[in-house]
Amino acid sequence: TQLLEQSPQFLSIQEGENLTVYCNSSSVFSSLQWYRQEPGEGPVLLVTVVTGGEVKKLKRLTFQFGDARKDSSLHITAAQPGDTGLYLCAGKEGPDDSWGKFQFGAGTQVVVTP
Amino acid sequence: ETGVTQTPRHLVMGMTNKKSLKCEQHLGHNAMYWYKQSAKKPLELMFVYNFKEQTENNSVPSRFSPECPNSSHLFLHLHTLQPEDSALYLCASSQDYSGGPDIQYFGAGTRLSVL
Repeated sequence: TQLLEQSPQFLSIQEGENLTVYCNSSSVFSSLQWYRQEPGEGPVLLVTVVTGGEVKKLKRLTFQFGDARKDSSLHITAAQPGDTGLYLCAGKEGPDDSWGKFQFGAGTQVVVTP
Repeated sequence: ETGVTQTPRHLVMGMTNKKSLKCEQHLGHNAMYWYKQSAKKPLELMFVYNFKEQTENNSVPSRFSPECPNSSHLFLHLHTLQPEDSALYLCASSQDYSGGPDIQYFGAGTRLSVL
């Protein structure tokens, strides 16, 4: 059973369109991270969110952590071919940092075509 | 360039072979990790070393044997693997580990095929 469910599994869009990918769980997470993995490379950390309701922006990427700290979303505005990659969420289960297992979701494969 | 280097990048081995994967980090970190990445499955954390001591072994079969001679180097020794062990093996490091990493830096991985 996957602790972190990511949806959709695959997303193909045209350059200039917007997209949102989701990371959901029935458990509370003390923190949650988003990574992007490009073909032939390892994952690279994009952002860490720790506070329920927190919103972080990284250029055209907007990350949101749910109020209850059980879910997160990543929104990309005006997607570009360079945004193509596997988007992974990962988090540490538990109400605070003192316990809980660190786990990854299976990822959303995003393809942006010119 | 993430500061974490893995070799080889690709490896093909038979089920009776013995091989090793190598990971080196130049970031001055104290924690190092091995992950297995299979298609459409979450990254599976295999082993964690913190200050050269193994702190986690997530029920990994004994045909995978990790070694951490110092904080900068991590090996994964492989013997009598099965075809289902074919996957991308990723190494990562972080400043330290206290039940979970803060910021992890990943290598590019070794693509392993077991015939």
